[in-house]
Amino acid sequence: QQQVKQSPQSLIVQKGGISIINCAYENTAFDYFPWYQQFPGKGPALLIAIRPDVSEKKEGRFTISFNKSAKQFSLHIMDSQPGDSATYFCAARLGAGNMLTFGGGTRLMVKP
Amino acid sequence: NAGVMQNPRHLVRRRGQEARLRCSPMKGHSHVYWYRQLPEEGLKFMVYLQKENIIDESGMPKERFSAEFPKEGPSILRIQQVVRGDSAAYFCASSPRPRNTEAFFGQGTRLTVV
Repeated sequence: QQQVKQSPQSLIVQKGGISIINCAYENTAFDYFPWYQQFPGKGPALLIAIRPDVSEKKEGRFTISFNKSAKQFSLHIMDSQPGDSATYFCAARLGAGNMLTFGGGTRLMVKP
Repeated sequence: NAGVMQNPRHLVRRRGQEARLRCSPMKGHSHVYWYRQLPEEGLKFMVYLQKENIIDESGMPKERFSAEFPKEGPSILRIQQVVRGDSAAYFCASSPRPRNTEAFFGQGTRLTVV
C-alpha cells in the first residue's frame, strides 16, 4: 500500500515535443504529490507539486495532472528541451511527517 | 545560505569495514531524513531524525545500520561490516518543520563496497 508505481522507465522525446510521465499509488492517505528532477551526480530537486484537492497545476512548461478517483497523477513537460534530460521521480507523502515514498524514476532524454 | 551538505561525496570501503556518512542540514533546519538509492532505482526512505531523537526508523535495515543526529554537529549514518549490497547512493534531506514543508536534498554520498 506504500508503493508508488512510475512509468515509463525511460523516455526519448524530440526537442519541442511533449514528455509525459505517469504515476499510480494505492494509499489514499497520501496528501501531497511532488515531482523531483535529478541530474547525474546530484541530489533530487523539487520541480513541482500538487495536493489531491486540485486536478491540475501548471508552472511554466511543467504541468501535473491529478486524477484522485483513479489514484493516478502525471507530469507533462511541454516544449521539451535537451536541458530537460534528467531522471524524474514522482513521490507521495503521508500527512504525518515529511517522509516521501518515491516512484522508480523515469530517465528522460530529449534529442536536439 | 548553504544547502544540505553531505560528505564525503564518494566513499570506497572493503567488505567488513565501517562506513560513516555525514549530513549537515540547511541552516535553521532541525529535521533530517536519510534515503538510499540503489542503482537504477528510486529513493527509499530509511530514517527520520530530529536533534537527539530518532523519530521514525521504519526503513532502516535491522542490523548493521544506525543513525544519529546529536545536539551539536552533523547527522551521521553508520554502516558496520559493509557488504557489496550496501553499495548505493545515500541522500540526506532536511526541513525546518516536521510536516507540510519541502525537504531539501543534499548531493548524496556514493558508497562503493569492494
